[in-house]
Amino acid sequence: DSGVTQTPKHLITATGQRVTLRCSPRSGDLSVYWYQQSLDQGLQFLIQYYNGEERAKGNILERFSAQQFPDLHSELNLSSLELGDSALYFCASSGGTSGATDTQYFGPGTRLTVL
Amino acid sequence: ILNVEQSPQSLHVQEGDSTNFTCSFPSSNFYALHWYRWETAKSPEALFVMTLNGDEKKKGRISATLNTKEGYSYLYIKGSQPEDSATYLCAFPPRGSARQLTFGSGTQLTVLP
Repeated sequence: DSGVTQTPKHLITATGQRVTLRCSPRSGDLSVYWYQQSLDQGLQFLIQYYNGEERAKGNILERFSAQQFPDLHSELNLSSLELGDSALYFCASSGGTSGATDTQYFGPGTRLTVL
Repeated sequence: ILNVEQSPQSLHVQEGDSTNFTCSFPSSNFYALHWYRWETAKSPEALFVMTLNGDEKKKGRISATLNTKEGYSYLYIKGSQPEDSATYLCAFPPRGSARQLTFGSGTQLTVLP
């Protein structure tokens, strides 16, 4: 158990809908990262937050947004969902600001299925 | 090399065999190289973060070496056990960024009893 929690574990929804994925980092960690794992692709970095501020942005679609709240939990909002958004979404956290040198601890993931 | 490349893509070994696989990355603007282990139906688990050329790290029967000048890292597993079966991922910051990781596609290891 990494100490990172994610809810829900599974989510099934329809195209065009909007969903929110939630992540609570390990106690004391200020950085949160979101990743997407699609069927034919490896882990893709989406976005990083540090202490409430956006720090780095990867291949995140404009339909997707994220935020980190004062209590350090983070939410990833996915809107106008398409079939291709079906994937496993991971949240990770670390104690530092650098995604490059800090160990990242991954949560169990949320499996999103868009029908 | 523009991105992280891992080889082989998959590997089957017998219990007790030692094995190793490779992660290749761009050698310029090096920050760090990460190794993760990802078991089926679980989440990626951090093994090592390596930052210095010549670094060697060890965790139980698993060890890793780093050559930043030539842009490669090796992961070794000594005396493989069935519980070592997993996908081993390496990750590296993409060109121009020190704040995010690009993951390789992984080496899928199966240890046969």
